[in-house]
Amino acid sequence: DTGVSQDPRHKITKRGQNVTFRCDPISEHNRLYWYRQTLGQGPEFLTYFQNEAQLEKSRLLSDRFSAERPKGSFSTLEIQRTEQGDSAMYLCASSLLNLRSEAFFGQGTRLTVV
Amino acid sequence: DQQVKQNSPSLSVQEGRISILNCDYTNSMFDYFLWYKKYPAEGPTFLISISSIKDKNEDGRFTVFLNKSAKHLSLHIVPSQPGDSAVYFCAAKVNAGNMLTFGGGTRLMVKP
Repeated sequence: DTGVSQDPRHKITKRGQNVTFRCDPISEHNRLYWYRQTLGQGPEFLTYFQNEAQLEKSRLLSDRFSAERPKGSFSTLEIQRTEQGDSAMYLCASSLLNLRSEAFFGQGTRLTVV
Repeated sequence: DQQVKQNSPSLSVQEGRISILNCDYTNSMFDYFLWYKKYPAEGPTFLISISSIKDKNEDGRFTVFLNKSAKHLSLHIVPSQPGDSAVYFCAAKVNAGNMLTFGGGTRLMVKP
């Protein structure tokens, strides 16, 4: 399968714990995005990488959130001291460098904070 | 402030008929628009896009229309098929930007 893959698919954690998600983009894609989707809403942009550089971050990305893309390949999104409001679907997407290139999404990681 | 809005949360259509999904936007800087389809437990899948220099783009059963003066776009699916039943998201971006701004989605149900 050469699509965007995310791991894990589901994560249940207790409030206050740290969680880390992984995204493997399509191999030739330079750009990688993280979005968050809550029930009944469309995906909301969190952050964006071009190769290994994190070029844009949303105001939604609080200090408890950090994302990395070492070596410009896979990416991780870490949430520290999780809160119940962090419960959502976290979507990763990747695209080519061309600004007109559509983003391809992974299946997402569903986080539930109890 | 929602910059991209899909005012119909759901739409039900008979198989074989036309489905029309609507989307309105407020940011005049948006110049590229996309439609994504999402099945349960899957990520959004790209359907069709349109640049602001066009007013129509067609791909098989799917056609997207853009009315820049009204800041409105629509997705037409003809003929509708039961497999089209999914949530459809409209998204927009600014040319120089990288992030997509999504609408809240419309759930389409195509009845056999």
